[in-house]
Amino acid sequence: LAKTTQPISMDSYEGQEVNITCSHNNIATNDYITWYQQFPSQGPRFIIQGYKTKVTNEVASLFIPADRKSSTLSLPRVSLSDTAVYYCLVVPFNAGNMLTFGGGTRLMVKP
Amino acid sequence: NAGVTQTPKFQVLKTGQSMTLQCAQDMNHEYMSWYRQDPGMGLRLIHYSVGAGITDQGEVPNGYNVSRSTTEDFPLRLLSAAPSQTSVYFCASSYGPTGPVTYEQYFGPGTRLTVT
Repeated sequence: LAKTTQPISMDSYEGQEVNITCSHNNIATNDYITWYQQFPSQGPRFIIQGYKTKVTNEVASLFIPADRKSSTLSLPRVSLSDTAVYYCLVVPFNAGNMLTFGGGTRLMVKP
Repeated sequence: NAGVTQTPKFQVLKTGQSMTLQCAQDMNHEYMSWYRQDPGMGLRLIHYSVGAGITDQGEVPNGYNVSRSTTEDFPLRLLSAAPSQTSVYFCASSYGPTGPVTYEQYFGPGTRLTVT
C-alpha cells in the first residue's frame, strides 16, 4: 500500500482558500486518491476521489499532477464549519472496502 | 433512508465482560466494515465483510469477532473486554463490486466504549 504524508495541522481564516497537499511517492498505477473529512465526534465523510488531473464537486477540488506522486485538496472560501480533520487515502483499485487511514490534517478555521 | 446506524452510542464495560456492538444499514450495500479510532489517531480496520456470509480480518482483529448473516446487519462482538479496547468504534458500508468505482464509505455515528 502506498504511504501518504500530509501536514499534521493547518490554520486558516474564514473566506480563504485552503490547499492541503498529500505526498504519495510510491503510488501504483491502479491506485485511486480519496479524501475524507471528519468532524469531532462523528464518523468520516467522503469528500472527493480522483485518478489524475483535476476533479471538482460541490465541496472541493482535487488536483493531481501527471506523475501522481502528490495530490492537493482545495477548499474554496472556508468557513468555521470546515474545521475538521482531513484524511488523504491512496486506495488500490481492488481494495474493496479496505481503507487505510493515516493521521490526517487537522484544519482549524478562525474567524 | 436512515443510512448506517449504530447502537449503543456509549458503553462502559468492566475488564473481562463481553458485549456486542450493533450496526445496520438500509442502503443495500454489499460491503461493511468495522473501524476503531483511538484519541488523536486515524481509523484502523478491525474486520470487514464483502457480502452476507463472508467476513475477513483487517489490521487489528484480535479480541473481536464478527458475523454477517444478512446484508443489513454486521455486529461486532468483544469477546473479553480489555482496557486497550477503549476506543470509538465506527461501522461503515459501501457499494460492492457491481456498484460504481468509488471508495465512498458511509460511516455510522460511532460507539464510544470505555473499558475499566
